[in-house]
Amino acid sequence: AQSVTQPDIHITVSEGASLELRCNYSYGATPYLFWYVQSPGQGLQLLLKYFSGDTLVQGIKGFEAEFKRSQSSFNLRKPSVHWSDAAEYFCAVASAGGTSYGKLTFGQGTILTVHP
Amino acid sequence: GAVVSQHPSRVICKSGTSVKIECRSLDFQATTMFWYRQFPKKSLMLMATSNEGSKATYEQGVEKDKFLINHASLTLSTLTVTSAHPEDSSFYICSARVRGRSNEQFFGPGTRLTVL
Repeated sequence: AQSVTQPDIHITVSEGASLELRCNYSYGATPYLFWYVQSPGQGLQLLLKYFSGDTLVQGIKGFEAEFKRSQSSFNLRKPSVHWSDAAEYFCAVASAGGTSYGKLTFGQGTILTVHP
Repeated sequence: GAVVSQHPSRVICKSGTSVKIECRSLDFQATTMFWYRQFPKKSLMLMATSNEGSKATYEQGVEKDKFLINHASLTLSTLTVTSAHPEDSSFYICSARVRGRSNEQFFGPGTRLTVL
């Protein structure tokens, strides 16, 4: 079964500082990987996704993520955080085939707080 | 494009009543819709997968008779919480998979259900 681990429940950074949110996945083959952001009381917005090809993917709002197969990781990064980035971030993996095709499994989420 | 709406955004009901939540894909056809439940400060848990014109597939532990899902058209899926109890209070989020882009899901804004 696929699974996703986000080791950091809560991260606090200063505005303008760099950010890295960690994500480790468990999946038998090449996974489809996603990062979503959720503001309080809102649905999820897709930041970026990885299906294949270049392991460094660019997303919206200046975010990027790097797929590292050897480490089973898909960490999210941003060089300079803005106060509006404060939200909860979810990493997710989707099945690429089989009976669970397309089903998303989410990590526990990381809450990002940004200090002025 | 790929906008998903949910209605209502918030609902408060009494114990024992039934509540219907609608999920609509506004500008695309959704072959598959997913229903998630999110507890406070927790991740999203997949409840069921809904395919247009067929019965929903429920995840283990989800009561089919309590959470009725209907996917009557390519743009509408409904979740009915029957005989609601306070423990059903939660944030319910739907997502839709775009026909032809089966690796991506687009999420609705969520519905906050409070059962008194």
